[in-house]
Amino acid sequence: KNQVEQSPQSLIILEGKNCTLQCNYTVSPFSNLRWYKQDTGRGPVSLTIMTFSENTKSNGRYTATLDADTKQSSLHITASQLSDSASYICVVSDRGSTLGRLYFGRGTQLTVWP
Amino acid sequence: EADIYQTPRYLVIGTGKKITLECSQTMGHDKMYWYQQDPGMELHLIHYSYGVNSTEKGDLSSESTVSRIRTEHFPLTLESARPSHTSQYLCASSARGARNEQFFGPGTRLTVL
Repeated sequence: KNQVEQSPQSLIILEGKNCTLQCNYTVSPFSNLRWYKQDTGRGPVSLTIMTFSENTKSNGRYTATLDADTKQSSLHITASQLSDSASYICVVSDRGSTLGRLYFGRGTQLTVWP
Repeated sequence: EADIYQTPRYLVIGTGKKITLECSQTMGHDKMYWYQQDPGMELHLIHYSYGVNSTEKGDLSSESTVSRIRTEHFPLTLESARPSHTSQYLCASSARGARNEQFFGPGTRLTVL
């Protein structure tokens, strides 16, 4: 079973609307959580990072939240644009190894329609 | 935009061919990684390196091999490609102690016929 689960698997919204993507994880011991944006045919690009003590982080129209007690995170996108169409991947890092092992979710495929 | 490059971006080859996927980064990062990603699935780590002359296998078993002779270069080689190797291959790098932020290259889409 994947230690990082994302929902929904896919989402279609109209341009200008808001949306929220969910991430639940079981990774322990927890180090940090990142949200990545991956455009089709490209590599993932980091949007936000949160450690155990941070419960919200913003990057422009992207706002991520973290509840380390319930092991849940969300990514809220405000006033969506066509360029937001991409896969959004939740990535959790543990602190139990020198490598800094990363656990990847399968992503939420977001499509923004005009 | 991260300074990490992969070539080729797309490759279509026949079964049994030997191929090398190139990955280079200009950030001076010690750690480098290779991931395999199939559509709609999570990234799987297949190889990583802590630095020059250091290579390790990742979580997903892979018939590929890697080398790290120079800090900036981390090529991946398949001695005899098969259709089961068809996938997207992503290279990444990170600095030591950088809270594990990995910077990804654009990927190579490999199709083996």
